[in-house]
Amino acid sequence: DAKTTQPTSMDCAEGRAANLPCNHSTISGNEYVYWYRQIHSQGPQYIIHGLKNNETNEMASLIITEDRKSSTLILPHATLRDTAVYYCIVSLYSGGGADGLTFGKGTHLIIQP
Amino acid sequence: DSGVTQTPKHLITATGQRVTLRCSPRSGDLSVYWYQQSLDQGLQFLIQYYNGEERAKGNILERFSAQQFPDLHSELNLSSLELGDSALYFCASSVVEGPNEQFFGPGTRLTVL
Repeated sequence: DAKTTQPTSMDCAEGRAANLPCNHSTISGNEYVYWYRQIHSQGPQYIIHGLKNNETNEMASLIITEDRKSSTLILPHATLRDTAVYYCIVSLYSGGGADGLTFGKGTHLIIQP
Repeated sequence: DSGVTQTPKHLITATGQRVTLRCSPRSGDLSVYWYQQSLDQGLQFLIQYYNGEERAKGNILERFSAQQFPDLHSELNLSSLELGDSALYFCASSVVEGPNEQFFGPGTRLTVL
């Protein structure tokens, strides 16, 4: 799986949009970009994933650049409960269900009141 | 609540001992994954089972083994425990096909004294 690079930490004011960047310059054409988050020591929580097109769901939006070498996760209206470590993961889909994920160090997002 | 259950929640044992961690996936999910999260190694993929068969291996030690039973629950067996095996162990499950999300359980915290 391609390696990802994320900032170690970020701050965002409550109510503002949180934009979390991720670089994955070695991504291959059939690798997906996934975002998960982990609040304290709870189990990681899936947020969103995409291949080429931008994606949006009830939690967030995922913007993938045209060359697919980087992406941005957007939390549109951050709340204090969004404080967590956010992981950007690139993973190959090889059929028959998702593969094991390779988690990096992630970005510790702190929402400030 | 992800729908994935793990038992026990906490486990304290001594070096050299053997323990078994249990995971029940979400109803209908055929894939089960095991992950280890320690302070120094971060969140690492250990092994994946799909409908009773081992599908993929990650950084799993030879002292560790897993299996998935006909009712789809899974067990992770850790033997000859060392202090460094102290960690959070997460189980996750996913639906059958497609690049999709993994649902993580609350984890089992193992402490080896």
